[in-house]
Amino acid sequence: GAVVSQHPSRVICKSGTSVKIECRSLDFQATTMFWYRQFPKQSLMLMATSNEGSKATYEQGVEKDKFLINHASLTLSTLTVTSAHPEDSSFYICSARANRGGTGELFFGEGSRLTVL
Amino acid sequence: KQEVTQIPAALSVPEGENLVLNCSFTDSAIYNLQWFRQDPGKGLTSLLLIQSSQREQTSGRLNASLDKSSGRSTLYIAASQPGDSATYLCAVLTDKLIFGTGTRLQVFP
Repeated sequence: GAVVSQHPSRVICKSGTSVKIECRSLDFQATTMFWYRQFPKQSLMLMATSNEGSKATYEQGVEKDKFLINHASLTLSTLTVTSAHPEDSSFYICSARANRGGTGELFFGEGSRLTVL
Repeated sequence: KQEVTQIPAALSVPEGENLVLNCSFTDSAIYNLQWFRQDPGKGLTSLLLIQSSQREQTSGRLNASLDKSSGRSTLYIAASQPGDSATYLCAVLTDKLIFGTGTRLQVFP
């Protein structure tokens, strides 16, 4: 099956710093990528949808200036948590879909655990 | 707004039991529904994908059904094993993939 690689898998940072998480589709071109966050013992919450070459669409309540998403190529999307604070500590997962607006299966990265001290 | 609910939230059973996990969604205009498992601290493993035109999918001891008109899906796990212990998530796809609240399953020997 298709492979999505997410990096880093774990990151610990000090409050106030920015952290970038990468999501790569390794064997297909991902026209659409989704970013989710998951708090302990809770389900995945969609943060934003990004289509290659256009601005990301953020879900209600997600600060776009805090969670910067860039989908500059068909195989790479990045999520940057700017000026991270302890409440941003969470598990972040990306997913990718091969065809824009399609109905096919989505493939997920392994997730990135962010801990902000 | 699509809302996806899973019942029960948690389940603890002895090994060998047959299990039914439930997923309901409020907007039946979906493209497909997917079931995932998530081990603690790990990413997602896709189990079954059911397209909106399909009624069920099977993989090994897993069987998932979909009744789009009533907004329901069930995941049936036959002869449960301790290795099945995980959180099970359903997700529906419209223009985006929305996850359910999850069922935490523990199968004890």
